[in-house]
Amino acid sequence: KAGVTQTPRYLIKTRGQQVTLSCSPISGHRSVSWYQQTPGQGLQFLFEYFSETQRNKGNFPGRFSGRQFSNSRSEMNVSTLELGDSALYLCASSRQGTTYNEQFFGPGTRLTVL
Amino acid sequence: AQTVTQSQPEMSVQEAETVTLSCTYDTSESDYYLFWYKQPPSRQMILVIRQEAYKQQNATENRFSVNFQKAAKSFSLKISDSQLGDAAMYFCASANNDMRFGAGTRLTVKP
Repeated sequence: KAGVTQTPRYLIKTRGQQVTLSCSPISGHRSVSWYQQTPGQGLQFLFEYFSETQRNKGNFPGRFSGRQFSNSRSEMNVSTLELGDSALYLCASSRQGTTYNEQFFGPGTRLTVL
Repeated sequence: AQTVTQSQPEMSVQEAETVTLSCTYDTSESDYYLFWYKQPPSRQMILVIRQEAYKQQNATENRFSVNFQKAAKSFSLKISDSQLGDAAMYFCASANNDMRFGAGTRLTVKP
């Protein structure tokens, strides 16, 4: 069974640009969660999508958005990039959701904002 | 709101010895789950062990076991017979409606 895949793996953008990251969950998994990992703030929950609906949202500004497609693939978008958005963005999939089930993490997308 | 605290930024253990990583959490929820995740240098997070809060029995997975003290809101991870492959960042996490992670503990295993 293929694991969680994220594309691209590395990305370099400049301030003010926008970026879209993609996550393909494990087949059969309906929940996709996104996390931001930085040395200063650690791992922070961005949002969770389940069956194309955003189910939970972390404490991030509206510049961070996401969506989920009918095949459970998910994208997250960051508009008007700031230097502080440089981070490793991880997505994780699970069958039902974050609460009760094991989440499988992808390798992450390393975003650098110059 | 949930908060998770890992008070040990770094820990070191000799190969084949035992090490315990500490974690405390705070939640107002009565129903929640606790996790330990491992993140090796390759960056892929891997679930190590999971504990349902309503279960009193401590979870175990081979060389990994937890000491879950619900009243004290403590959830420590014990690694027995440490191996070189155990070297990684270890994150404690709690989950109810979302998942909150601690800051992590970097474990070094000395040969």
